[in-house]
Order: sequence, then C-alpha cells, then structure tokens
Amino acid sequence: SQQGEEDPQALSIQEGENATMNCSYKTSINNLQWYRQNSGRGLVHLILIRSNEREKHSGRLRVTLDTSKKSSSLLITASRAADTASYFCATEANQAGTALIFGKGTTLSVSS
Amino acid sequence: GAVVSQHPSWVICKSGTSVKIECRSLDFQATTMFWYRQFPKQSLMLMATSNEGSKATYEQGVEKDKFLINHASLTLSTLTVTSAHPEDSSFYICSAPGQVGRGEAFFGQGTRLTVV
Repeated sequence: SQQGEEDPQALSIQEGENATMNCSYKTSINNLQWYRQNSGRGLVHLILIRSNEREKHSGRLRVTLDTSKKSSSLLITASRAADTASYFCATEANQAGTALIFGKGTTLSVSS
Repeated sequence: GAVVSQHPSWVICKSGTSVKIECRSLDFQATTMFWYRQFPKQSLMLMATSNEGSKATYEQGVEKDKFLINHASLTLSTLTVTSAHPEDSSFYICSAPGQVGRGEAFFGQGTRLTVV
C-alpha cells in the first residue's frame, strides 16, 4: 500500500536553482522521512521529521511538515548535478514496529 | 550506525528456477524485517513483514507460496522467489525498523533480479 501522492512526479531544473517536492499522506504518523535513490541503487536516508515538529534543516535540505494537512515538503537549495535522483517520502505509523510506507516519488534532474 | 547487508546485489536466473535473497543485520538483532519490491520507475511497495520465530505477514496481492520468507535467526531473513518468471524481475530491498518514532529504518543495498 502507499500513503499518497508526491508532486511533481518529475522536476527538471538548472544547477543553482532550488527544488521543491511535496508529499501527502493519509494516516496518523510518528514521523516522516525523506530518502534519495540514485538510478537502480539503494536508498539513502536524508532527513527525518517527527510529528510534533514543523520544520527541520540539514545542510541544503529543508523539510516542513503540516500534520493538519497531512503533507510535507522537501526543499533542496542551490541544487547540483549530483542531486539528480529520485526522492521519496516515507511515513512511519504510530504503531510500534510497522513498516515505512513510501510515496510515489519525485524524479529530479539537475542540469549543469 | 546499524548496518543491514543484503546479498546478492544482482542476480540473473532462468524462468522456472528459484532465487534466494539474504538480508542480515550485522551489528544488531532484528526481530522484524520488511521486504519491499520496486518495479522500474515506480516506488517501493511493501511485500511482507518477516518475524523471527513466526510466520511472515504478507500484503494483499502478494503470493505467499511464491515469495517464501524465512526469518531463521535474529540476524537473518531470507526471501526466496520460487519458480521465477520474467514478471518477477524487479528490485527487492529489505529493511529493519529503527527505534519507533526516533530513527530511520535501516535498508539493505537491494537486489536487482532479472528473470530471463
């Protein structure tokens, strides 16, 4: 099962521009996480935001969480060609030991 | 941090054969492991939850007789794709849960299965 939609599905920008990706989910959550996946490879954990947090920063990443709207956004500032990848949000439900449920993902292409 | 090792990273097999994928927690004990499948250009879909010492729980639409899961010890979970067909070609990835509400899950490197 999947939580919901991510938009946009694909995003193409130039190096130096900012990239914003959005994620919506359906159920109550403990936390929401963002992952990056380079083509055909495993997942890289980027950032985790807890349900009682509204915004979090990590380097060039900024994540927001609006639990009333059940949505989150990931902002990558000053993008680089190396940021080209697929980005997924994943939610952890309130129940202990439950699996992460992934959004559909956004494919980001950053051209130099 | 915790490490989950998945093996093999890629495998090519003939239709009708079976393939076993291993997922090991290297420096911690995992009573639960999750198995995901990812088709090209799609997201990760949860297939099943593997529980040490008990039967796995499968998601709706996943054939338990085709995707055999064994969680024989606290550090090893295996997924066997039996009688594989080309439509089973996919990226399979395992994960162990992090501390609830506190940390990220720990993912294996994934296995690219190609059935010819």
